[in-house]
Amino acid sequence: DAGVIQSPRHEVTEMGQEVTLRCKPISGHNSLFWYRQTMMRGLELLIYFNNNVPIDDSGMPEDRFSAKMPNASFSTLKIQPSEPRDSAVYFCASSASGRREETQYFGPGTRLLVL
Amino acid sequence: DQQVKQNSPSLSVQEGRISILNCDYTNSMFDYFLWYKKYPAEGPTFLISISSIKDKNEDGRFTVFLNKSAKHLSLHIVPSQPGDSAVYFCAASIIQGAQKLVFGQGTRLTINP
Repeated sequence: DAGVIQSPRHEVTEMGQEVTLRCKPISGHNSLFWYRQTMMRGLELLIYFNNNVPIDDSGMPEDRFSAKMPNASFSTLKIQPSEPRDSAVYFCASSASGRREETQYFGPGTRLLVL
Repeated sequence: DQQVKQNSPSLSVQEGRISILNCDYTNSMFDYFLWYKKYPAEGPTFLISISSIKDKNEDGRFTVFLNKSAKHLSLHIVPSQPGDSAVYFCAASIIQGAQKLVFGQGTRLTINP
């Protein structure tokens, strides 16, 4: 299996622009997670989906962030408008089921820089 | 409010010696704990986990210890190898939270030859 696929791997944009990050989970997995990594706060869960339905979005920083999962093989995380403080590495992860003993498999991440 | 804390941003250990990475948590509802390992330019990968009904779990060179009264867990790597150089994240969850994991800030481990 190809693992979790994220695109783009790197994104540089200017403040105020819209940014869209994409994720393809491992085939057959029905849970998908979006995380953000910063030096100060480490890895933070932003939102997670079960069977394409958002279960918990309490980690989404503010209304500028939105996430969708239109089908089992694709998810997007959108930031509009972007700000310099959004600069971070964004990870997508998937797992086989909603059970917490299931391993979460992470993608390679998208490194976002907002100037 | 950091519920899971890794107070050492970095740790340097000689090859062959024991590496001990520490993690503290504040939420007494946490009852399942994990360690993930991350290499540069890659996503984190699962390493080892422990349930609160245990105080120790071992997998090869890796052992996780849990002290519930102190709200503290540690990861021991014996013997340490150069390939263990990575960032290590501890994470915790509560049973009602299903797969919602709360991660610490990470500790960068460097194994010196």
